[in-house]
Amino acid sequence: EVQLVESGGGLVKPGGSLTLSCAASKFRFSAYNMNWVRQAPGSGLEWVSSISGISNYIYYADSVKGRFTVSRDNARNSLLLQMNTLRADDTAVYYCVRSNNWYFDVWGRGTLVSVSS
Amino acid sequence: SYVLTQPPSVSVAPGQTARITCVGDDIGYKRVHWYQQKPGQSPVLVIYDNSDRPSGIPERFSGSNSGDTATLTVSRVEAGDEADYYCQVLHSRSDDVVFGGGTKLTVL
Repeated sequence: EVQLVESGGGLVKPGGSLTLSCAASKFRFSAYNMNWVRQAPGSGLEWVSSISGISNYIYYADSVKGRFTVSRDNARNSLLLQMNTLRADDTAVYYCVRSNNWYFDVWGRGTLVSVSS
Repeated sequence: SYVLTQPPSVSVAPGQTARITCVGDDIGYKRVHWYQQKPGQSPVLVIYDNSDRPSGIPERFSGSNSGDTATLTVSRVEAGDEADYYCQVLHSRSDDVVFGGGTKLTVL
């Protein structure tokens, strides 16, 4: 079964850093664009970042541009999100998501990031 | 930035038809995708490219898109359809992915 498993979430102080990981399995990872989508508690979905299959195209939401960096390792079937200068409004469940022609067809279960002093 | 507007809530009795709208400027020229999210679960794709259904999604789910409004229609609503529903597009001018604010479907 196609699967995405996130890890790396936790509690971090404002201004701190955190790196999220996503392990992909049971599909040809390098053939797909990958994405991060987040959901603040009690709120809707917010797109964070997208990266193409060979990392030649990378996009970020304005809310994270300059603070977050997305990368991937196709040899290890993994997706990363390096998050710096974290703020309270970055608190959310972060989902690793596979996209297929810009619709999101496979979602992980998410990892919770809490930014609080 | 591009904005998608959804009604916060829609209520329908079992067996009836629920229609959830997603309003955006000239959305009819874009490809619209819809997701269902039940409490405590990850979102699930239910409609892609305006009206196509992924495998495993019941035929009761359908979509349309024209002008400034895209619509997700759930026919013969069941209690298990109670969930939040989100529309999504790619705003190609800025390469941004945009989600609507979400609609809570309540089955009375």
